[in-house]
Amino acid sequence: QVQLVQSGAEVKKPGASVKVSCKASGYMFTSYGISWVRQAPGQGLEWMGWISGFNGNTKYAQKIQGRVTMTTDTSTSTAYMELRSLRSDDTAVYYCARDWGPVARFEPWGQGTQVTVSS
Amino acid sequence: QSVLTQPPSASGTPGQKVTISCSGGSSNVGSNTVNWYQQLPGTAPKLLVYSDYQRPSGVPGRFSGSKSGASASLAISGLQSEDEADYYCAAWDDSLNGPVFGGGTKLTVL
Repeated sequence: QVQLVQSGAEVKKPGASVKVSCKASGYMFTSYGISWVRQAPGQGLEWMGWISGFNGNTKYAQKIQGRVTMTTDTSTSTAYMELRSLRSDDTAVYYCARDWGPVARFEPWGQGTQVTVSS
Repeated sequence: QSVLTQPPSASGTPGQKVTISCSGGSSNVGSNTVNWYQQLPGTAPKLLVYSDYQRPSGVPGRFSGSKSGASASLAISGLQSEDEADYYCAAWDDSLNGPVFGGGTKLTVL
């Protein structure tokens, strides 16, 4: 079955960086993109950006552009999201999801990775 | 402030029909298809409806989507206790050149 499995929870200090992984299985990784979506405590869903599984092209949300880098390793069907210069308001659950194109259709989703930024 | 507007809460009793609205504009809902996501407590979101009204396999027919102009709706009929969750609408936004979400609606089954 199609599945995305993310790396475990992280606790970081302000100013540090975090890198979250998302390993895909059950489908051809290069045929779809991966989007990253985060959810702050008690808040809604916020799209962070997208990376092509085919050629690594990226598009980032303007709010975090300059602090985020998304990459893939097609040999292991894994996507990565690195966020730098962490602030307390980056504390959130970070999700990866298979992206079906420019239609805001995400399915399935990874289980989520809790990132806590605290001094 | 979300680009798409949803009511923050909705409620109903078991067996009732509940409708959740999603209002956007000409650059998103008005010109692109709408998807709905269900997020059960403590879990990742799950695609519930795509392309305005299509249901992925495994999603019960009690869930139905519709759209008119720049507004979309998710209807849940025969409400069940396990439907208690947060529901989000999403659509591509041509002006932002990216996907946008509604703020989410918390559904309570009384």
